Amino acid sequence: GAVVSQHPSWVICKSGTSVKIECRSLDFQATTMFWYRQFPKQSLMLMATSNEGSKATYEQGVEKDKFLINHASLTLSTLTVTSAHPEDSSFYICSASTNGRLADSYEQYFGPGTRLTVT
Amino acid sequence: DAKTTQPNSMESNEEEPVHLPCNHSTISGTDYIHWYRQLPSQGPEYVIHGLTSNVNNRMASLAIAEDRKSSTLILHRATLRDAAVYYCILRSRLSNFGNEKLTFGTGTRLTIIP
Repeated sequence: GAVVSQHPSWVICKSGTSVKIECRSLDFQATTMFWYRQFPKQSLMLMATSNEGSKATYEQGVEKDKFLINHASLTLSTLTVTSAHPEDSSFYICSASTNGRLADSYEQYFGPGTRLTVT
Repeated sequence: DAKTTQPNSMESNEEEPVHLPCNHSTISGTDYIHWYRQLPSQGPEYVIHGLTSNVNNRMASLAIAEDRKSSTLILHRATLRDAAVYYCILRSRLSNFGNEKLTFGTGTRLTIIP
């Protein structure tokens, strides 16, 4: 099956710094990638949808200037948390889809997640 | 988006079948029923999906009520590795699956008792 990786798997950063999380589709081209955030004991909340080569679409309440998303290629999307604060500490998960280019196109393929801790 | 309702938690003994219910009384004729599961500290993984007929795959079975207002995910023989949060999600058949976002509810936390 299609594999999505994330890097790093966990990161600790100081308040006020920025951190970049990478999401890669390893064996397929992902025209659309999604970024989710999950707080402890809660469900996944979609943050934004990104299509390759275009600007991301952010969900209501998500600050686009704080959570910078770049989807420059068909296999890589990045999420940069700028000026991170402790309340940004969360589990960030990406997913990728192929828009019908794979037989199992009804699936979204999820990465393993990145745990961000801001001190 | 049509909404789904699931029990917050369920328990099952190891090596016994598990039936996870999902209510979706406002489902439309164009909605597929999808199930994902999330193991602890991991991203979700696809389990199964269906439209009207019951479906089987290597992971599970999906039983869909005749009126489609509810469905049941069946794990035939639960193992400790099946302990996870199971999400029932509706997705429109009319959409481009690749572009459509998934709306996760609270899901059912399944605990397997050794």
